[in-house]
Parts: sequence; structure tokens; C-alpha cells
Amino acid sequence: RKEVEQDPGPFNVPEGATVAFNCTYSNSASQSFFWYRQDCRKEPKLLMSVYSSGNEDGRFTAQLNRASQYISLLIRDSKLSDSATYLCVVNSPQGGSEKLVFGKGTKLTVNP
Amino acid sequence: DTEVTQTPKHLVMGMTNKKSLKCEQHMGHRAMYWYKQKAKKPPELMFVYSYEKLSINESVPSRFSPECPNSSLLNLHLHALQPEDSALYLCASSQSVTAPGYGYTFGSGTRLTVV
Repeated sequence: RKEVEQDPGPFNVPEGATVAFNCTYSNSASQSFFWYRQDCRKEPKLLMSVYSSGNEDGRFTAQLNRASQYISLLIRDSKLSDSATYLCVVNSPQGGSEKLVFGKGTKLTVNP
Repeated sequence: DTEVTQTPKHLVMGMTNKKSLKCEQHMGHRAMYWYKQKAKKPPELMFVYSYEKLSINESVPSRFSPECPNSSLLNLHLHALQPEDSALYLCASSQSVTAPGYGYTFGSGTRLTVV
């Protein structure tokens, strides 16, 4: 089983739509969770961290279910500028160090 | 502007060349990372440096040689690469490896083509 698995997508939605992305992780020792956004031929950029109680940042809402090892991202009132690949990212403790592991990403296209 | 600076932005090299990728950050971060990203794939970790010491090597071939001269700089030395090594090489930094709770900050990457 892959460490981080995401909806394969792609998602094509009209402007104004609500879209949800799902992600599961396999390492129960993981403690840090993120959603990154990557535009075509650009570097990944942190969209938001995901907290146990769930958190919201404007039109974006992230949820974490530790029991199910499941993370979600909800985007409300989609804008054309939301078109990008969304990467679910989870930390993976390794000996005395840690690393971030990326899911394959879900491509979102918001259409006019 | 990104706070992690990578140079060069683009690099074309032959299979017998030796080149280096450079990464610099001035955020006081003590952990730095090299990732490799192929088209339509997620970034894959190559190396982790913590307090200037190599802490993770993800079984990367020896033709890739990382170096961390000081806490702000990270290099990736390339020698005898193969065409399949062509990819976007991303550098990232974080406050520390054991507290990645704030995520990583990525540089804009070096797009490498091996001919």
C-alpha cells in the first residue's frame, strides 16, 4: 500500500462549484498533514496545514480523521485561478529524522 | 518571490559532464532537502540534511552527490548522468526535520535535461 493515496482525478468543474479531494495515508505514526498546490511547471506551494479539529482558510476547508487515516480538502465557490494540481502531503518519521511524502496529486480544472 | 533560491533554473548537460545545482535559503531553517520530480508525477525525496549533516539518503545513485557547506547552502553535484535523470530538481527547507509542522518551503527548481 502506498504511503499516501489520493483521488486520481482529473476533476473538471464549472466556476462556482464545490469540489472535494480525498486522501488516505498508511503510516499511523504520521503527525503532520498538508495540502500543497502545484501549478504547471512550477514548484509546490503550501496551501494549508491540516489540523485534527479541522480548519478553514477562506473558501478552503481541510479535515483530518486520524482513526480512518483520512484527509480531505473542500474548495467552495471555485475560481478559474484554483486550476492546479493539489497534492496531499504527510510526514513520515524515519529513525531520528522525518520526511514529507507526497501523494500523486489530483488535477483540478475550473472552467468558465 | 520564493525564499529558497535555486540556480540555475535550466540546465542541459551531456552524459559525460560534471555540473552542480545550488540552493540557498536565509530563513534560518536547519533542514534542507533535495526532491526529484518527473512530469506528471509527485516530488520524490532524494536527500535530507539536518544541521548540515546528511540524515536521509533514499538510495540515490552515486552519480548524485549532495553537499551542505553551511546551514544556508545545499548543493547537488551531478556526474555521468543518464537521459532518464532528466527532471525538475527541487530544493526545500524547513525549520527542522523533527518539527515539519510548518511544511516545507520549496525553491522554483532546476529543470535538468541530460542529452
